[in-house]
Amino acid sequence: GNSVTQMEGPVTLSEEAFLTINCTYTATGYPSLFWYVQYPGEGLQLLLKATKADDKGSNKGFEATYRKETTSFHLEKGSVQVSDSAVYFCALRVPTDKLIFGTGTRLQVFP
Amino acid sequence: DAGVIQSPRHEVTEMGQEVTLRCKPISGHDYLFWYRQTMMRGLELLIYFNNNVPIDDSGMPEDRFSAKMPNASFSTLKIQPSEPRDSAVYFCAVMAQGANTQYFGPGTRLTVL
Repeated sequence: GNSVTQMEGPVTLSEEAFLTINCTYTATGYPSLFWYVQYPGEGLQLLLKATKADDKGSNKGFEATYRKETTSFHLEKGSVQVSDSAVYFCALRVPTDKLIFGTGTRLQVFP
Repeated sequence: DAGVIQSPRHEVTEMGQEVTLRCKPISGHDYLFWYRQTMMRGLELLIYFNNNVPIDDSGMPEDRFSAKMPNASFSTLKIQPSEPRDSAVYFCAVMAQGANTQYFGPGTRLTVL
């Protein structure tokens, strides 16, 4: 079946630190991969996506590369800010099917 | 475009009462999803519609839950009777046909006492 596994949080960092949130997946077929972000009190919103192997999604300084050989889609940012504090969800979608979300990773950034 | 609109934003009710959550999707987005989010269980897909037709309701926890989409502009999620364990944030999300990005509403925080 299709599934997403992401690292448990919370991840606690100081401002300007480097961020990595690991995500691996299991899927039949060729999934599209996503990172969604949920800020406190809000719904989820798309952060970035990649639709095929070796694609790199990027947005707001965040990046993730679709690695088919390691079935991974790790989220990275070179220098986090306090405003990046949120919950981050990795997700996949096989064409014509629903989104499969990971359990979410809470990021806390302190000044 | 105002995005996905959900109402009410907060609902507090007593056990046994009927609760109706509402969603107004973005025009032209043919898929509509209802999710539930709790600390214990994370984000769960309850049901989704395509062109107003329910496609997969396997995530609906039990018969107390029902969802309808009478037209492309409106959907409801009803819980009758409500129980304290239904307390959660309920999200509505939409997606356009042929696309793969979902757009979420702000959610309804439900508390059942």
